[in-house]
Amino acid sequence: GENVEQHPSTLSVQEGDSAVIKCTYSDSASNYFPWYKQELGKRPQLIIDIRSNVGEKKDQRIAVTLNKTAKHFSLHITETQPEDSAVYFCAARVIKAAGNKLTFGGGTRVLVKP
Amino acid sequence: DAGVIQSPRHEVTEMGQEVTLRCKPISGHDYLFWYRQTMMRGLELLIYFNNNVPIDDSGMPEDRFSAKMPNASFSTLKIQPSEPRDSAVYFCASSFRRDNSPLHFGNGTRLTVT
Repeated sequence: GENVEQHPSTLSVQEGDSAVIKCTYSDSASNYFPWYKQELGKRPQLIIDIRSNVGEKKDQRIAVTLNKTAKHFSLHITETQPEDSAVYFCAARVIKAAGNKLTFGGGTRVLVKP
Repeated sequence: DAGVIQSPRHEVTEMGQEVTLRCKPISGHDYLFWYRQTMMRGLELLIYFNNNVPIDDSGMPEDRFSAKMPNASFSTLKIQPSEPRDSAVYFCASSFRRDNSPLHFGNGTRLTVT
């Protein structure tokens, strides 16, 4: 099955700096890559996603890049703010006729220091 | 839409007792997922349903765990008998079948087994 590795496990940045989280996946058939943000004690919520026919996608201060050849994708947060502090999860999904299974990475705890 | 609704929010029980977690997916979603989250193992997929039919239960840890989806608007995850190592946050999530349909999580049930 699909295996998603995420690095780093923790990331501390100064407010205003950029944060980058990297993920690799194993199944070359994976074609959908969402990112979720989970604040303390709350549910994971989708912040951005990318499909395999797109190399990069931006939404204000966040962007995701995808390299299908290398089977890795990254989340970039620019001009970080204290409210960006949370755990971020990457995920990969293989769309199959019989299934719709999303596999998550281990998560990155991001701390933005004011 | 009220989103994915889970109950109870918190459950504290003694080892050996039966625990039932409940989930109401978003209306119209045809996929339903049960995840377990712990510090050690992250977000683990336990089982998922498509149109009320279990598709993949390979993540269910033991026979003590069972899940049902009697209709499109209700699912249960049961643990019998419960053990302290079952303590975790259990999330239910739902989505459409479409390729880039995001996963919507409920608020989770925090289970503590003493």
